[in-house]
Amino acid sequence: NAGVTQTPKFQVLKTGQSMTLQCAQDMNHNSMYWYRQDPGMGLRLIYYSASEGTTDKGEVPNGYNVSRLNKREFSLRLESAAPSQTSVYFCASTGGSTYNEQFFGPGTRLTVL
Amino acid sequence: GENVEQHPSTLSVQEGDSAVIKCTYSDSASNYFPWYKQELGKGPQLIIDIRSNVGEKKDQRIAVTLNKTAKHFSLHITETQPEDSAVYFCAASSGHTGGFKTIFGAGTRLFVKA
Repeated sequence: NAGVTQTPKFQVLKTGQSMTLQCAQDMNHNSMYWYRQDPGMGLRLIYYSASEGTTDKGEVPNGYNVSRLNKREFSLRLESAAPSQTSVYFCASTGGSTYNEQFFGPGTRLTVL
Repeated sequence: GENVEQHPSTLSVQEGDSAVIKCTYSDSASNYFPWYKQELGKGPQLIIDIRSNVGEKKDQRIAVTLNKTAKHFSLHITETQPEDSAVYFCAASSGHTGGFKTIFGAGTRLFVKA
């Protein structure tokens, strides 16, 4: 039982390049989330997926797209990376009821030059 | 918009002392208040949580208190140990149709000096 896994762990991009961050969970959770973590700003929600087949914008969705590929997998895509997207990205999942802890992946550290 | 303020941003204590981290929230609909611990190079991990129908909860050396009227909640760590050194995040969450809205505080970096 690996929990939430993310790939890659580190990535360096040039401005304008695109990439997809992958996330998978093996806990049969309904809901999945993408956050970015910046110094002094905590975790900010980019997009979430309440259940397979649905996605919704969070607090900071601009410049990102997501795909809920199936119940296990939720990917985050940067179509044209910008230096402002340099951050640490975390994927998380929850079981789906009202009160539920979020299980986080180990994070992807992305640098955009 | 809704926000969660967390203080202090940095806290340094001597081993064995207590540490207190305080948060305030603005969304009256918040009904679930988790605390996460993040160690270096890892994702946040839940350490304790409290729901809006409870005023206090304790788990060994960790306790959380909630004042819904004042929209305050706090984390208390007693008898601190070097392994408590980490970044701690408070959060406030409310049920939301089709998903869950969780707002995180900016984090507190706790140093426990041996």
